[in-house]
Order: sequence, then structure tokens, then C-alpha cells
Amino acid sequence: GAGVSQSPRYKVAKRGQDVALRCDPISGHVSLFWYQQALGQGPEFLTYFQNEAQLDKSGLPSDRFFAERPEGSVSTLKIQRTQQEDSAVYLCASSLRLAGRTDTQYFGPGTRLTVL
Amino acid sequence: KQEVTQIPAALSVPEGENLVLNCSFTDSAIYNLQWFRQDPGKGLTSLLLIQSSQREQTSGRLNASLDKSSGRSTLYIAASQPGDSATYLCAVTNAGDSWGKLQFGAGTQVVVTP
Repeated sequence: GAGVSQSPRYKVAKRGQDVALRCDPISGHVSLFWYQQALGQGPEFLTYFQNEAQLDKSGLPSDRFFAERPEGSVSTLKIQRTQQEDSAVYLCASSLRLAGRTDTQYFGPGTRLTVL
Repeated sequence: KQEVTQIPAALSVPEGENLVLNCSFTDSAIYNLQWFRQDPGKGLTSLLLIQSSQREQTSGRLNASLDKSSGRSTLYIAASQPGDSATYLCAVTNAGDSWGKLQFGAGTQVVVTP
């Protein structure tokens, strides 16, 4: 089937605006991860969902970041009052099983967020 | 605290040469290590996953080794081709993690010239 998809692919926001980034994981995948990748760096973990439950949000950089996966499939990452330091590529990944320590994660193409 | 490092940050080789990419990590308590490829504007593609109990994995022209005790992994790409040009990232899953979240190095940007 289709891979992980993300929308929009590119987003430009003025500082202070709210943005919402969408992730459609592979159908049937239980685990969903969000990562943030700054320019020239590797991705950094933001948050983890197992079905609809957000089990780990230790990587969210501030309370302006919020993520949800209400029906255990599509996920949305919301950033309130965007700041310039939020400019990055936001990657979503899914894996098949629970606690996928041995599973490959399948990544979407990412959303490039630029905050002016 | 785990740190993952990739050196060099960039590498350019002529077509046909073998590529050797290095990854080091400071805490040997890992479940696995993965190598990914990232093309501009695209997501990450998993190349090889090595479990902590394994020493190496092979797929076609790719071979990855893991020396957990010394905190090192090496990705070998034989007979490089221009299509191998991309950024290569290594990532570990730490033993204390319950969910399998990945901790990445900064990557090595590879250019293979025709």
C-alpha cells in the first residue's frame, strides 16, 4: 500500500501564527513518531503514539507544541505562536507493532516549516 | 547520556570507489542500530537494521558492521554509483527506551562523481 504521507509539504508562517501539520501513517501501523530535523542535523524525537494514546512527549520543546492522534490513525502536530527557532523539517514515522524496538520505522517526506 | 556522532560530515568519491561511513555512540546499552538514507526533499529510507546481538548485516552492495563494546558501526557501500549520492544517517535505539524512538547522528553527506 501507500507509504507515510504528510501535508502540507511546505509551510511558511509569520512569527506568532499557529500551524497544524498532518501525518497519515501506513494503514494498520500501531506506532507513530514525530521528529524535528533542523538544517544540517539529524532528526530529533518529539513524541510517540501507540494507537490513540500519547505515551511519550518528552521531546516536545515547549508547551507551544501539541500533538494528537484521536482515532489511532491520522496524527496532527500543532505549533502555537510560532517562533523562528521552530523552523525545521518535521518528520512523521510509523511502525507496525507496539513498542517497536525491533521494527523498522517508515518515514514520510516531511513538512518544511519556515517561520519568518 | 547517549551521543551519536558521524564523521566525516561530508565525503566526495569518484564512481566505482568503495564508500566507508563511520558512526560512533557513547553508551553501548542499545537495542539496535540502523542506517538510513535521506535524499533532498524526501523522507528517510531504512537501509539496514542491526540488532545488538548481531555483528553485521548485508544487503546487496551494502554491509554494516556493529561493535557494540567499542561503540562503533561502519557502513560499507561497494562500487559506488552516482545514484548513491545522498545523506546517510545512523540511529540507535537505546536499551532504556520503551517505544523504540531513534536517536540520530548528524549524518554524512556523500557525493559520488561520475
